Amino acid sequence: DSGVTQTPKHLITATGQRVTLRCSPRSGDLSVYWYQQSLDQGLQFLIQYYNGEERAKGNILERFSAQQFPDLHSELNLSSLELGDSALYFCASSVGNLGLDTQYFGPGTRLTVL
Amino acid sequence: SQQGEEDPQALSIQEGENATMNCSYKTSINNLQWYRQNSGRGLVHLILIRSNEREKHSGRLRVTLDTSKKSSSLLITASRAADTASYFCATMNTGFQKLVFGTGTRLLVSP
Repeated sequence: DSGVTQTPKHLITATGQRVTLRCSPRSGDLSVYWYQQSLDQGLQFLIQYYNGEERAKGNILERFSAQQFPDLHSELNLSSLELGDSALYFCASSVGNLGLDTQYFGPGTRLTVL
Repeated sequence: SQQGEEDPQALSIQEGENATMNCSYKTSINNLQWYRQNSGRGLVHLILIRSNEREKHSGRLRVTLDTSKKSSSLLITASRAADTASYFCATMNTGFQKLVFGTGTRLLVSP
């Protein structure tokens, strides 16, 4: 158990819908990262927040957005869902924001878009 | 896009044998991390090796890093059936905060 929690474990929804994925980082970690794992793209970085502020952006679609709240939990919002958005979404956390320390991953949310 | 390339893509061995996986990357890095993933589940952190380190051990795991060749290897000694999983290397590139993952090696350890 990494200490990072993600809810829900599974989500099944239809095209065009909007969903919210939630992540709670390990106690003491200020950085939260979101990654997407799909069969064709592998593991891809989406976005990073540090202490409530966006710090780095990766291959995140405009239909997707995220935020980190004062209690440091984070939410990833996916809207206008398409079939290709079906994937495993991981949240990870680390102490700092300089990329020098270990990122601990949560168990992931499996999103299926029908 | 993924930076790391892992070799082999799949590896099948018997319990007790050693397993070696290789990872190559393209740009300068702060550190390189190895993760394990059991069939579509979460990523478990195994080991982090910094760019100024050449070798690191953790239990049955041995990781080497050669920054001149931009490559790393993960050795699992005396493998067990429970080691069956996919193994990913991930680099933390200089100047960035994101992990760039390799394509992964699927390891099957048969009893």
